[in-house]
Amino acid sequence: AQSVTQPDIHITVSEGASLELRCNYSYGATPYLFWYVQSPGQGLQLLLKYFSGDTLVQGIKGFEAEFKRSQSSFNLRKPSVHWSDAAEYFCAVDPFAGGTSYGKLTFGQGTILTVHP
Amino acid sequence: GAGVSQSPSNKVTEKGKDVELRCDPISGHTALYWYRQRLGQGLEFLIYFQGNSAPDKSGLPSDRFSAERTGESVSTLTIQRTQQEDSAVYLCASSLSDRALHGYTFGSGTRLTVV
Repeated sequence: AQSVTQPDIHITVSEGASLELRCNYSYGATPYLFWYVQSPGQGLQLLLKYFSGDTLVQGIKGFEAEFKRSQSSFNLRKPSVHWSDAAEYFCAVDPFAGGTSYGKLTFGQGTILTVHP
Repeated sequence: GAGVSQSPSNKVTEKGKDVELRCDPISGHTALYWYRQRLGQGLEFLIYFQGNSAPDKSGLPSDRFSAERTGESVSTLTIQRTQQEDSAVYLCASSLSDRALHGYTFGSGTRLTVV
């Protein structure tokens, strides 16, 4: 079945430490890939997206993600976490990549990030 | 407007009542999506509108749920005879047809509590 998996429900890091949030997908072809962040009481904000080309994607707030086709993964990284990064992070895929077909996003379960001072 | 606007931001309703949630997409965005986010869970797709095409209702959980959109403007999601399991945050998103380039913009959601 087509799915998006975020294996880590909750991650805690210290401020200034590096961060990696995992995302795996199971689709036949390479979908469009997204990472969103949701702060408490807020909507989802797009951090970055991947469609094609360079497999290392830069986003906002110092985040980056690397697409690895062989592992069907799209992990989110940040070299040095700030306290304001505490939020919930969602990986999402649009399986109908390309063409004129619409994009019904499928989301992972989310990873809650806690940042200790 | 500058972003996707949803109203109300919070709604508390009694079990069995009907509720109507509103989404005002970004001007010019042809595509509009409704998602539901239950506590501690990811987002579930509910329904999709693209221009004047027939909507994709494949995610609606029951016939108590319905949604309308007039052209490329406001959409309303209606839940009839609400149940406690309907309690969730309902998120709306819109996008240009070329979503690959522009992505999706989400509203802040409506938090629905059924008591």
